[in-house]
Amino acid sequence: EAGVTQFPSHSVIEKGQTVTLRCDPISGHDNLYWYRRVMGKEIKFLLHFVKESKQDESGMPNNRFLAERTGGTYSTLKVQPAELEDSGVYFCASSQARAAEQYFGPGTRLTVT
Amino acid sequence: EDQVTQSPEALRLQEGESSSLNCSYTVSGLRGLFWYRQDPGKGPEFLFTLYSAGEEKEKERLKATLTKKESFLHITAPKPEDSATYLCAVQAGDMRFGAGTRLTVKP
Repeated sequence: EAGVTQFPSHSVIEKGQTVTLRCDPISGHDNLYWYRRVMGKEIKFLLHFVKESKQDESGMPNNRFLAERTGGTYSTLKVQPAELEDSGVYFCASSQARAAEQYFGPGTRLTVT
Repeated sequence: EDQVTQSPEALRLQEGESSSLNCSYTVSGLRGLFWYRQDPGKGPEFLFTLYSAGEEKEKERLKATLTKKESFLHITAPKPEDSATYLCAVQAGDMRFGAGTRLTVKP
């Protein structure tokens, strides 16, 4: 069974540019989550999808971040325009149920210069 | 406010030297406590879920336990391949992670 995949693995962009991260969850997992780890800090929750609906986006830092999950399959996280403080590793995870274990992807390392 | 604190921040063990990692938490309405292992450059890898005080789970050299205020991850006779960062996370509403314990096991 394929795990959670994320693309790209690394992205280096300049301040003010736009970047789109993609996550493909495990097949059949309705729950999809985005997290971020900023250098030296713990992993922090960004948002949670159930199928194509945003269940909880309380962790989204500001309106420069936009997440979508078209058709309840893969998800994208767009940062526009990127700022220096957006640098970090963005993880995606999926689970079969809300309180069940979450399976993480390898992450996308974003560097904003 | 929900909090998760892991200790120690780093732990160095000799191969075969058993020890425990601690995760203390304050959260309202715990739905589950999760342990993950993370290797450098990779995403967290699921180890255990604990749902209620008194529950225990085991896998190879690892054993996780849960009380109402904390969880322990016991490592028995560790090997160098157990070296990794171990993360604890609690779920009430969203998932909240601790900062992790970086474990190094020397041969």
